Amino acid sequence: DAKTTQPPSMDCAEGRAANLPCNHSTISGNEYVYWYRQIHSQGPQYIIHGLKNNETNEMASLIITEDRKSSTLILPHATLRDTAVYYCIVSPRRGGTSYGKLTFGQGTILTVHP
Amino acid sequence: ETGVTQTPRHLVMGMTNKKSLKCEQHLGHNAMYWYKQSAKKPLELMFVYNFKEQTENNSVPSRFSPECPNSSHLFLHLHTLQPEDSALYLCASSQEEGNTIYFGEGSWLTVV
Repeated sequence: DAKTTQPPSMDCAEGRAANLPCNHSTISGNEYVYWYRQIHSQGPQYIIHGLKNNETNEMASLIITEDRKSSTLILPHATLRDTAVYYCIVSPRRGGTSYGKLTFGQGTILTVHP
Repeated sequence: ETGVTQTPRHLVMGMTNKKSLKCEQHLGHNAMYWYKQSAKKPLELMFVYNFKEQTENNSVPSRFSPECPNSSHLFLHLHTLQPEDSALYLCASSQEEGNTIYFGEGSWLTVV
Protein backbone atom coordinates (compact mmCIF):
# COMPACT_ATOMS: atom_id res chain seq x y z
CA ASP A 1 0.00 0.00 0.00
CA ALA A 2 1.11 3.54 -0.65
CA LYS A 3 1.95 5.51 2.46
CA THR A 4 0.93 9.04 3.34
CA THR A 5 2.66 11.84 5.16
CA GLN A 6 0.72 14.41 7.15
CA PRO A 7 1.83 17.16 9.54
CA PRO A 8 1.31 16.01 13.14
CA SER A 9 -0.71 19.05 14.13
CA MET A 10 -2.31 22.23 12.81
CA ASP A 11 -4.26 25.13 14.23
CA CYS A 12 -7.10 27.05 12.67
CA ALA A 13 -9.23 29.97 13.78
CA GLU A 14 -12.95 29.41 13.99
CA GLY A 15 -14.74 30.58 10.84
CA ARG A 16 -11.62 30.38 8.70
CA ALA A 17 -10.80 27.72 6.14
CA ALA A 18 -8.74 24.79 7.37
CA ASN A 19 -6.39 23.37 4.73
CA LEU A 20 -4.95 20.00 5.64
CA PRO A 21 -2.15 18.71 3.40
CA CYS A 22 -1.22 15.14 2.63
CA ASN A 23 1.67 13.73 0.63
CA HIS A 24 1.28 10.38 -1.12
CA SER A 25 4.14 10.38 -3.59
CA THR A 26 4.06 6.59 -4.18
CA ILE A 27 0.35 6.37 -4.92
CA SER A 28 -0.61 3.85 -7.61
CA GLY A 29 -2.91 4.53 -10.51
CA ASN A 30 -5.79 2.54 -9.04
CA GLU A 31 -5.57 3.99 -5.54
CA TYR A 32 -8.03 6.50 -4.21
CA VAL A 33 -7.37 9.17 -1.61
CA TYR A 34 -9.66 8.92 1.41
CA TRP A 35 -10.08 11.31 4.30
CA TYR A 36 -11.51 10.37 7.66
CA ARG A 37 -11.58 12.18 10.95
CA GLN A 38 -11.83 11.01 14.52
CA ILE A 39 -13.23 13.19 17.21
CA HIS A 40 -11.97 12.27 20.65
CA SER A 41 -13.35 8.97 21.97
CA GLN A 42 -15.52 8.37 18.88
CA GLY A 43 -15.25 6.13 15.85
CA PRO A 44 -13.64 7.53 12.68
CA GLN A 45 -16.02 9.45 10.42
CA TYR A 46 -15.80 9.27 6.63
CA ILE A 47 -15.35 12.71 5.05
CA ILE A 48 -14.60 12.42 1.35
CA HIS A 49 -12.63 10.49 -1.24
CA GLY A 50 -11.34 11.02 -4.77
CA LEU A 51 -9.24 9.53 -7.53
CA LYS A 52 -7.88 12.43 -9.58
CA ASN A 53 -10.60 15.03 -9.91
CA ASN A 54 -11.34 17.54 -7.19
CA GLU A 55 -14.33 16.57 -5.09
CA THR A 56 -16.74 18.50 -2.89
CA ASN A 57 -19.50 17.44 -0.56
CA GLU A 58 -21.39 18.98 2.31
CA MET A 59 -18.49 18.46 4.69
CA ALA A 60 -15.39 19.38 2.75
CA SER A 61 -13.51 19.76 -0.52
CA LEU A 62 -10.68 17.57 -1.71
CA ILE A 63 -8.05 19.00 -4.02
CA ILE A 64 -5.73 16.45 -5.67
CA THR A 65 -2.70 17.64 -7.59
CA GLU A 66 -2.41 16.75 -11.24
CA ASP A 67 0.43 14.30 -10.59
CA ARG A 68 -1.64 12.83 -7.70
CA LYS A 69 1.34 12.93 -5.38
CA SER A 70 -0.37 15.16 -2.87
CA SER A 71 -3.78 16.38 -1.83
CA THR A 72 -5.42 18.96 0.42
CA LEU A 73 -8.57 18.61 2.46
CA ILE A 74 -10.38 21.91 2.85
CA LEU A 75 -12.91 22.62 5.57
CA PRO A 76 -14.29 25.93 4.28
CA HIS A 77 -15.55 27.40 7.55
CA ALA A 78 -14.05 25.55 10.48
CA THR A 79 -15.99 25.33 13.72
CA LEU A 80 -14.94 24.22 17.17
CA ARG A 81 -16.64 20.88 16.48
CA ASP A 82 -14.16 20.24 13.66
CA THR A 83 -11.38 19.76 16.22
CA ALA A 84 -10.30 16.18 15.57
CA VAL A 85 -7.59 13.92 14.19
CA TYR A 86 -7.74 13.90 10.38
CA TYR A 87 -6.48 10.86 8.50
CA CYS A 88 -5.42 10.78 4.88
CA ILE A 89 -5.39 7.24 3.46
CA VAL A 90 -4.74 5.81 0.02
CA SER A 91 -6.34 2.54 -0.94
CA PRO A 92 -7.57 0.75 -4.06
CA ARG A 93 -11.21 0.06 -4.72
CA ARG A 94 -12.83 -2.98 -6.24
CA GLY A 95 -10.73 -5.95 -5.49
CA GLY A 96 -7.09 -6.68 -4.95
CA THR A 97 -5.56 -7.89 -1.72
CA SER A 98 -5.84 -4.46 -0.20
CA TYR A 99 -9.54 -4.19 -0.84
CA GLY A 100 -11.35 -2.54 1.99
CA LYS A 101 -8.37 -2.55 4.31
CA LEU A 102 -7.80 1.06 5.17
CA THR A 103 -4.43 1.55 6.84
CA PHE A 104 -4.54 4.44 9.29
CA GLY A 105 -1.43 6.43 10.15
CA GLN A 106 -1.02 8.97 12.92
CA GLY A 107 -2.99 11.68 11.12
CA THR A 108 -3.08 15.43 11.75
CA ILE A 109 -4.48 16.80 14.97
CA LEU A 110 -6.49 19.85 13.93
CA THR A 111 -7.33 22.27 16.69
CA VAL A 112 -9.90 24.94 15.92
CA HIS A 113 -9.71 27.82 18.36
CA PRO A 114 -12.13 30.70 18.99
CA GLU B 1 -25.76 8.01 13.85
CA THR B 2 -23.57 6.16 11.37
CA GLY B 3 -25.75 3.12 10.78
CA VAL B 4 -23.27 0.92 12.64
CA THR B 5 -24.21 0.20 16.24
CA GLN B 6 -21.85 -1.28 18.78
CA THR B 7 -22.69 -2.66 22.23
CA PRO B 8 -21.69 -2.36 24.93
CA ARG B 9 -20.04 1.06 24.71
CA HIS B 10 -17.97 0.34 27.80
CA LEU B 11 -16.88 -3.00 29.23
CA VAL B 12 -14.68 -3.87 32.18
CA MET B 13 -13.66 -7.50 32.47
CA GLY B 14 -11.29 -9.63 34.47
CA MET B 15 -8.59 -11.70 32.83
CA THR B 16 -10.52 -14.92 33.40
CA ASN B 17 -13.86 -13.65 32.12
CA LYS B 18 -15.57 -14.42 28.84
CA LYS B 19 -17.42 -11.56 27.21
CA SER B 20 -18.57 -10.55 23.74
CA LEU B 21 -18.74 -7.33 21.78
CA LYS B 22 -21.62 -6.94 19.36
CA CYS B 23 -21.91 -4.95 16.17
CA GLU B 24 -24.93 -4.45 13.94
CA GLN B 25 -25.06 -2.48 10.71
CA HIS B 26 -28.23 -1.10 9.14
CA LEU B 27 -26.65 -0.01 5.86
CA GLY B 28 -27.21 -3.11 3.77
CA HIS B 29 -23.45 -3.67 3.50
CA ASN B 30 -21.81 -7.02 2.85
CA ALA B 31 -18.40 -6.51 4.44
CA MET B 32 -17.70 -6.01 8.13
CA TYR B 33 -14.52 -5.30 10.05
CA TRP B 34 -13.03 -5.23 13.52
CA TYR B 35 -10.37 -2.64 14.26
CA LYS B 36 -8.43 -2.07 17.48
CA GLN B 37 -7.19 1.30 18.69
CA SER B 38 -4.79 1.27 21.63
CA ALA B 39 -3.72 4.41 23.40
CA LYS B 40 -1.57 6.64 21.19
CA LYS B 41 -1.39 4.04 18.42
CA PRO B 42 -2.95 4.04 14.94
CA LEU B 43 -6.00 1.94 14.25
CA GLU B 44 -5.09 -1.67 13.60
CA LEU B 45 -7.20 -3.92 11.39
CA MET B 46 -8.03 -7.21 13.14
CA PHE B 47 -10.55 -9.11 11.05
CA VAL B 48 -12.47 -8.74 7.79
CA TYR B 49 -15.63 -10.56 6.80
CA ASN B 50 -17.08 -10.44 3.31
CA PHE B 51 -20.48 -12.07 2.76
CA LYS B 52 -20.11 -13.78 6.17
CA GLU B 53 -16.79 -15.36 5.21
CA GLN B 54 -13.63 -14.35 7.02
CA THR B 55 -11.21 -12.96 4.47
CA GLU B 56 -8.62 -11.44 6.77
CA ASN B 57 -7.13 -12.32 10.13
CA ASN B 58 -4.33 -9.88 10.82
CA SER B 59 -2.33 -12.21 13.11
CA VAL B 60 -4.75 -11.68 15.94
CA PRO B 61 -4.25 -13.85 19.07
CA SER B 62 -6.77 -16.65 19.50
CA ARG B 63 -8.14 -15.09 22.68
CA PHE B 64 -10.07 -12.87 20.24
CA SER B 65 -12.64 -14.92 18.34
CA PRO B 66 -14.85 -13.26 15.73
CA GLU B 67 -18.22 -14.50 14.58
CA CYS B 68 -20.30 -13.27 11.66
CA PRO B 69 -23.67 -15.06 11.55
CA ASN B 70 -24.99 -12.86 8.75
CA SER B 71 -24.00 -9.76 6.81
CA SER B 72 -25.60 -7.43 9.35
CA HIS B 73 -24.10 -8.78 12.56
CA LEU B 74 -20.57 -9.20 13.80
CA PHE B 75 -19.37 -10.37 17.19
CA LEU B 76 -16.00 -10.38 18.90
CA HIS B 77 -15.79 -13.04 21.60
CA LEU B 78 -13.23 -12.28 24.29
CA HIS B 79 -11.59 -14.91 26.48
CA THR B 80 -8.64 -14.83 28.85
CA LEU B 81 -7.58 -11.34 27.86
CA GLN B 82 -4.57 -9.47 29.14
CA PRO B 83 -4.44 -5.92 30.52
CA GLU B 84 -2.60 -4.82 27.37
CA ASP B 85 -5.72 -5.76 25.39
CA SER B 86 -7.47 -2.75 26.91
CA ALA B 87 -8.37 -0.54 23.97
CA LEU B 88 -11.14 0.93 21.85
CA TYR B 89 -12.58 -1.78 19.58
CA LEU B 90 -14.20 -0.45 16.46
CA CYS B 91 -16.59 -2.20 14.13
CA ALA B 92 -17.04 -1.01 10.56
CA SER B 93 -18.88 -2.00 7.40
CA SER B 94 -18.74 -1.32 3.69
CA GLN B 95 -20.40 -2.30 0.46
CA GLU B 96 -18.80 -5.24 -1.27
CA GLU B 97 -17.93 -3.14 -4.26
CA GLY B 98 -16.28 -0.15 -2.64
CA ASN B 99 -13.91 0.93 0.04
CA THR B 100 -15.85 3.60 1.84
CA ILE B 101 -15.95 2.19 5.34
CA TYR B 102 -18.38 3.39 7.97
CA PHE B 103 -17.44 2.97 11.60
CA GLY B 104 -19.43 2.50 14.75
CA GLU B 105 -18.77 4.52 17.88
CA GLY B 106 -16.62 1.79 19.36
CA SER B 107 -16.55 -0.30 22.52
CA TRP B 108 -14.13 0.76 25.23
CA LEU B 109 -12.65 -2.34 26.81
CA THR B 110 -10.74 -2.36 30.07
CA VAL B 111 -9.13 -5.61 31.22
CA VAL B 112 -8.31 -5.72 34.93
